Parts: sequence; structure tokens; C-alpha cells
Amino acid sequence: EDQVTQSPEALRLQEGESSSLNCSYTVSGLRGLFWYRQDPGKGPEFLFTLYSAGEEKEKERLKATLTKKESFLHITAPKPEDSATYLCALGNAGGTSYGKLTFGQGTILTVHP
Amino acid sequence: DADVTQTPRNRITKTGKRIMLECSQTKGHDRMYWYRQDPGLGLRLIYYSFDVKDINKGEISDGYSVSRQAQAKFSLSLESAIPNQTALYFCATSDAVRGIDTQYFGPGTRLTVL
Repeated sequence: EDQVTQSPEALRLQEGESSSLNCSYTVSGLRGLFWYRQDPGKGPEFLFTLYSAGEEKEKERLKATLTKKESFLHITAPKPEDSATYLCALGNAGGTSYGKLTFGQGTILTVHP
Repeated sequence: DADVTQTPRNRITKTGKRIMLECSQTKGHDRMYWYRQDPGLGLRLIYYSFDVKDINKGEISDGYSVSRQAQAKFSLSLESAIPNQTALYFCATSDAVRGIDTQYFGPGTRLTVL
């Protein structure tokens, strides 16, 4: 069974204080590891897809990396506007999970000015 | 204009009422999904459709039904609403043709069942 676990559940940072969010996963056949950002009361907004171990993607202050067991979302010099819930999701290559995503519980990030 | 739209955005109803939530998309994607989100439980899949004639149950389909009226429209119905169906509901789409599972979400419907 596919599993996605995100840690920590909540993270409070001061503006400019870099940190990382973790997404650990188990899957029989990886068909993408996805990161989303969600603001309160809004739909998740797509950030990145990673397909193979060693892959990295960047967007502004965010960088996502992938190993065979986990993914990290690194936030460099965060600003208050980076405050949101960050969701990790797993795509499975086959079986009954094909075409579907399994979501983690999310990490609530708060960046204080 | 938004690529994935949901109506209504907010709805308050009473126990036992029939409710329909609607989703439309202009992304041209074949696949559409309905999720609910509850605090502490994350996003859970209710139903999904890989094309107009293909509809499948997700992990929490009991008490819900769906209709795929066209490639661009996917509706979720609560036949007889109950209070524990109070949640945020999201529609999402993905592109089967390109073989990429990235899902794009609508703005959500906040449903309250009294």
C-alpha cells in the first residue's frame, strides 16, 4: 500500500530563516512525487513534480529534491508570504492506484516577519 | 478566467437534503476527480473519472454519487446530506494524453450540513 508521511506537522520560522520540509514515502512503482502549496480555504496549487532519485527542481525560494525514500522541500530565506500548508503527493505507476495521487497530511508553515 | 471552476463556493444545507456540487474545466483534460478535505485527515478521494464513460469509486464514496455530463463537467451529489459530510470539497483535473499525473485543483466548495 502506498504511504506518504510528511514532517513536521507544523513549522514556525522567522523571516530569512532557511529550513526544510520532509516527505517520506513507500510505493511499489513511483510515477511522480508532487509538491503543492495550499493557502487557507483555497485549492492546492501545483509547485513541482519529481520523477527519479537525484532530481531537483527550483522555483524562487523553493527547491525540491528526491531520493528513493523521501523528498525534501527546501525553503531559502523565507518571507511571510511563503506561509501556507505544503502538501506532498505520490503517483503510483500501476495497479489500482494508476492515475491517482496519494496525499500526505501536509506541513503548516508559518513565517514570522 | 480560472481553468477549473466550482459552484457553489459556499453552501449551507440541512440534514436529509439533496445537494449537487458542480465542476467545470477549460484545460481540455480527460481526467477529473472529486476530493474532500477535513482538518487532520488531508485530501481524500471520493470519485474519479478517466473519461466520460469511465467512473470509479475512490476511498470514501459511500453517501456520494457523481455524473460526468461531458469531458469538461463532473458533478458530485450528496443524495441525503448528513452533518459528517461537512467539509471542503475540491475538484481536480489531469491530462491523460500526456501521461502526466499532475492534478490541477479548483477553488473548492465549503459545505456545511446542519
